[in-house]
Amino acid sequence: DQQVKQNSPSLSVQEGRISILNCDYTNSMFDYFLWYKKYPAEGPTFLISISSIKDKNEDGRFTVFLNKSAKHLSLHIVPSQPGDSAVYFCAASATSGYALNFGKGTSLLVTP
Amino acid sequence: DSGVTQTPKHLITATGQRVTLRCSPRSGDLSVYWYQQSLDQGLQFLIQYYNGEERAKGNILERFSAQQFPDLHSELNLSSLELGDSALYFCASSVVATTNTGELFFGEGSRLTVL
Repeated sequence: DQQVKQNSPSLSVQEGRISILNCDYTNSMFDYFLWYKKYPAEGPTFLISISSIKDKNEDGRFTVFLNKSAKHLSLHIVPSQPGDSAVYFCAASATSGYALNFGKGTSLLVTP
Repeated sequence: DSGVTQTPKHLITATGQRVTLRCSPRSGDLSVYWYQQSLDQGLQFLIQYYNGEERAKGNILERFSAQQFPDLHSELNLSSLELGDSALYFCASSVVATTNTGELFFGEGSRLTVL
């Protein structure tokens, strides 16, 4: 069963605007969440993470918000740039977890 | 460059055959993870090794096996291949055994096509 869900397979945003990528999870034991970015023919690369003790983490143009009660997190990219066009994977881990659980990914296209 | 090396990058084989995928983790990383990405699927966790020992198993088929050698490189063996095994296989590494304190570093993947 898919414990991490990204319900939007794709998203198209204009350059300069905000991109919002969403992720839901079902396992209440998850306490660490990450976003990975993947370009074609490359492996996923770490983008940003958040611990369950926080509800927001910011790194430059990227901000991740966590709503534990709703079991929902989102990634905001402001402003979006064409180089941000990639597949974004949401991932989650539980304390002492041995593996990251990934969603299916959202393909973001930022148009000029 | 993540520092994780996977070989081969591409592999085409026939049903019923056996293949071995190889992964060299980043220098100093003791954990190796294997993930499978099939068409329209997310990254499915297969198995993890830490310092030579199996630590966790995910959705790994009995036809698949893996090991981590003393030099910390890992191999994923896929046997009696079926068409549905066609996928991108990623290796990732990390320093620690658990995943709630740090990130995983991924290789570029090995694309397996079974005809």
